[in-house]
Amino acid sequence: GAGVSQSPSNKVTEKGKDVELRCDPISGHTALYWYRQSLGQGLEFLIYFQGNSAPDKSGLPSDRFSAERTGGSVSTLTIQRTQQEDSAVYLCASSGGTVTEAFFGQGTRLTVV
Amino acid sequence: KNEVEQSPQNLTAQEGEFITINCSYSVGISALHWLQQHPGGGIVSLFMLSSGKKKHGRLIATINIQEKHSSLHITASHPRDSAVYICAAPGGSQGNLIFGKGTKLSVKP
Repeated sequence: GAGVSQSPSNKVTEKGKDVELRCDPISGHTALYWYRQSLGQGLEFLIYFQGNSAPDKSGLPSDRFSAERTGGSVSTLTIQRTQQEDSAVYLCASSGGTVTEAFFGQGTRLTVV
Repeated sequence: KNEVEQSPQNLTAQEGEFITINCSYSVGISALHWLQQHPGGGIVSLFMLSSGKKKHGRLIATINIQEKHSSLHITASHPRDSAVYICAAPGGSQGNLIFGKGTKLSVKP
């Protein structure tokens, strides 16, 4: 596609439910990144994919968070048993080279009520 | 680990004013991002620059790699420019970007 696309743009979910956030990277980009911004906080790194593998998942805050990437393209970030502290903007980026060449999606705003 | 500092944290301006937002980082980098976050939360990538200056409409970004400093300028500011502006630099590992805490800009009519 022309840019990095994230869906949904907004998601409201009840505490305890599972949610899936989707990222469609720019076609041909091998690297994909997930970040999040909690309320009142700066953006923080979650996980990085190169192709379908994740060489760096050091930023995932707990085992309730997981991510996968299939076909070297679409990625899904899954949050199980959501908690109110998971409320944040989740941002995806993709790159054909290094992280310094990444293009960002517009983010998914997740609200856990 | 790279540390990214932005200033000011908050900025209020009158419509038409020239705006400058500053970003400094502690570790040498090859490129830096400027992002814009709208009040509704959506994030837009404004610039990625590795040297010199880039211009897009009323927005100008400059970077001095030697001084580890970048600035974002807005000429003839408008209320629709009101947003949070964030700079980001590589954090060291392949996937890691370190983000500044953002500058909240409010432009009054």
